Amino acid sequence: DGGITQSPKYLFRKEGQNVTLSCEQNLNHDAMYWYRQDPGQGLRLIYYSQIVNDFQKGDIAEGYSVSREKKESFPLTVTSAQKNPTAFYLCASSSSNQQVYGYTFGSGTRLTVV
Amino acid sequence: GEDVEQSLFLSVREGDSSVINCTYTDSSSTYLYWYKQEPGAGLQLLTYIFSNMDMKQDQRLTVLLNKKDKHLSLRIADTQTGDSAIYFCAESRAHSSASKIIFGSGTRLSIRP
Repeated sequence: DGGITQSPKYLFRKEGQNVTLSCEQNLNHDAMYWYRQDPGQGLRLIYYSQIVNDFQKGDIAEGYSVSREKKESFPLTVTSAQKNPTAFYLCASSSSNQQVYGYTFGSGTRLTVV
Repeated sequence: GEDVEQSLFLSVREGDSSVINCTYTDSSSTYLYWYKQEPGAGLQLLTYIFSNMDMKQDQRLTVLLNKKDKHLSLRIADTQTGDSAIYFCAESRAHSSASKIIFGSGTRLSIRP
């Protein structure tokens, strides 16, 4: 079955460390997105990529980095420059017919700084 | 403005209807969506409506669109405990060479016995 997979489900990071969250999709979708969700708040867009080897900053890109070397994969690195990284991170993808079908979301990664 | 706005909380009795409301800002939005998020999970597309429609019904779900007031609502008939979740309203908005989906803050629906 096609889908979008995020790993790990839970991640703990010490202050000052970089961590990388994985997002893989086998839906043959061109576009991929990373969102951050904090309690009681909506989704905030971190980065998005509409095509391989290209990506754009979203609304809250500072302290994060991404790469898009393969169509299937869009990893997110939370760097030590991100001052408050504890949050729930959601990856999504969409086809060229995105308007009709919307985004497909992964099940999320909960990152906690310890 | 950029915002898609929703109230944060809604509590209904099991078996009653739930109505979740949303206002959006871009009159050129072509598609509007409702997503459901269960605890600790990603978002799941529940339904969508094209901007030239006023209403869409899908089993227990009814979506109403008032384009003049830029108001979208989701009605869930015969609300069950499994409907407890956060519901996100979203609009598809043209952005540069591609469209982009803008999400509201979500409405947390809780069901009381």
